[in-house]
Amino acid sequence: GQNIDQPTEMTATEGAIVQINCTYQTSGFNGLFWYQQHAGEAPTFLSYNVLDGLEEKGRFSSFLSRSKGYSYLLLKELQMKDSASYLCASMDSNYQLIWGAGTKLIIKP
Amino acid sequence: GAGVSQSPSNKVTEKGKDVELRCDPISGHTALYWYRQSLGQGLEFLIYFQGNSAPDKSGLPSDRFSAERTGGSVSTLTIQRTQQEDSAVYLCASSPSFAGAKFGYTFGSGTRLTVV
Repeated sequence: GQNIDQPTEMTATEGAIVQINCTYQTSGFNGLFWYQQHAGEAPTFLSYNVLDGLEEKGRFSSFLSRSKGYSYLLLKELQMKDSASYLCASMDSNYQLIWGAGTKLIIKP
Repeated sequence: GAGVSQSPSNKVTEKGKDVELRCDPISGHTALYWYRQSLGQGLEFLIYFQGNSAPDKSGLPSDRFSAERTGGSVSTLTIQRTQQEDSAVYLCASSPSFAGAKFGYTFGSGTRLTVV
């Protein structure tokens, strides 16, 4: 079957670094996505990986290992506004996104 | 349009009434999705439209739920005889053709449905 696993909740300190892990198993693979969702708002696109390796975009980076079915989202220099849920999603062979339940990230001062 | 537009943004309805939720996707996007999200929960897939193909209705929770997409653009999600457990945020998303897969989905702001 298709499955996306990510931690339910993580806590980190302002200014620090946090890594949110995701493992996936889907029918076919056309890329791994990360979305950010603030409470009461719609998810917004953060990153896309389809090849192995690290993609860096400012304070956020995303990593993919296709052989391991594994990805992580790395957030540096954490700010209070980064408090949100982070959704991992794998695009299957039909180009549909299979979603994880999301990781709620709590940032403490 | 520039983004995915959903209406209404909020809807309070009495138990047993029917409701219609509207989604206007990004112009040119061939795929359209409806999701439901309860407070603090993940995204629950409801239905998927791709071009002129028959929709994937596998996520609809009961026969009280239906959706249509007219002219390959605007979509309406209808919930008949609403129940309190239908209370949630209903999110619509659209995406371009397969060639644009790397851009993922763009979500609307959602309709918050409350059944009292």
